[in-house]
Amino acid sequence: DTGVSQNPRHKITKRGQNVTFRCDPISEHNRLYWYRQTLGQGPEFLTYFQNEAQLEKSRLLSDRFSAERPKGSFSTLEIQRTEQGDSAMYLCASSLRGAGDYGYTFGSGTRLTVV
Amino acid sequence: AQSVTQLDSQVPVFEEAPVELRCNYSSSVSVYLFWYVQYPNQGLQLLLKYLSGSTLVKGINGFEAEFNKSQTSFHLRKPSVHISDTAEYFCAVGRDDGGSEKLVFGKGTKLTVNP
Repeated sequence: DTGVSQNPRHKITKRGQNVTFRCDPISEHNRLYWYRQTLGQGPEFLTYFQNEAQLEKSRLLSDRFSAERPKGSFSTLEIQRTEQGDSAMYLCASSLRGAGDYGYTFGSGTRLTVV
Repeated sequence: AQSVTQLDSQVPVFEEAPVELRCNYSSSVSVYLFWYVQYPNQGLQLLLKYLSGSTLVKGINGFEAEFNKSQTSFHLRKPSVHISDTAEYFCAVGRDDGGSEKLVFGKGTKLTVNP
């Protein structure tokens, strides 16, 4: 069990550029979650996958954001035409069953800075 | 919808003193509750969870929390803190009716343990 892995750890990009983050969940976990955490705030839910199906999306996930989980393994989160307000820590988590059974295991996050 | 209020944004204490971090939640459905800890530049680590059953739950690192349904609270306690407990602590709530997989987090409490 190597835990939830997120890459890259840090990303600095210019406003208007596209960025993509990757999350590798714990191998036997079929549920995967993306959260965003801004400075001084708790994590905010973005989206949830069960296997390859995206079952929940937050209204925070504007049309510039897209998440995928092909084949139900790793997941990618893409932000198009980045804005300074997108600067945040993007956290990925996974679980074997629902959050109410075991809670999540979080990765270390990808810190995005938009300049 | 669920919401979480962490009543103290910062809590300074001396080493070996007891500490209580307060969390109140709001929900129209039954819930499960979590406390997570976040060290600087890292993801969140699960401290403990309340799913059902005994209202006093014990977690890692000597922490415990008590679920109080009538007061809609889930306060975190430790009888004697260490310098290494300095971190940010997040309370989170989820729906126990299968309606959503997302967790709603509070804004966090920064615990600083001084020598």
